Amino acid sequence: AQSVAQPEDQVNVAEGNPLTVKCTYSVSGNPYLFWYVQYPNRGLQFLLKYITGDNLVKGSYGFEAEFNKSQTSFHLKKPSALVSDSALYFCAVRDFGSNYQLIWGAGTKLIIKP
Amino acid sequence: GAGVSQSPSNKVTEKGKDVELRCDPISGHTALYWYRQSLGQGLEFLIYFQGNSAPDKSGLPSDRFSAERTGGSVSTLTIQRTQQEDSAVYLCASSSHDPAGVKPQHFGDGTRLSIL
Repeated sequence: AQSVAQPEDQVNVAEGNPLTVKCTYSVSGNPYLFWYVQYPNRGLQFLLKYITGDNLVKGSYGFEAEFNKSQTSFHLKKPSALVSDSALYFCAVRDFGSNYQLIWGAGTKLIIKP
Repeated sequence: GAGVSQSPSNKVTEKGKDVELRCDPISGHTALYWYRQSLGQGLEFLIYFQGNSAPDKSGLPSDRFSAERTGGSVSTLTIQRTQQEDSAVYLCASSSHDPAGVKPQHFGDGTRLSIL
């Protein structure tokens, strides 16, 4: 079965430190992977995606993600965290049987402490 | 241009009442999604519209839930005889036509529904 896992409910990072939010997936075929961010009382915002090509994908707000096929992972990273990065982060993968359905992770709450 | 607009932003109603939630997608976007998000949780797919095609209703949790999309633009999600477990944030998203499945979805800020 196809799935996405975000193994950490919450990640705490001090401001200025690097951050990583983990995502692993299980799909048949080549994965289309996405990261979204949700600020309090707002909808989700697209951060970045991996479809094909370079394994390191750069996105909005200084975020990047590294696609690792052997580890079936797509971890979200940022070299230096900001307090304003505190939010809920969702990883998603395209359902291989559909051209529109996304399989969503449960979300990871990122808390950046000053 | 404007993003996805949802109304109302908050709705409080009594158990057993019907509610209508509205979504106005980005102009020109042919794909429209409805999701449900329980407090601080992930997204639960409800329904998908693409152009004039028959919608994918596979995520609707019961026959109390229905949705329509008039003229390929505005969509309304209706919940009849609301129950307390319907309390959640209802999110709408839209995207341009995407046969390859690579385009991101654009979300509204949601309607926070509370059933008393």
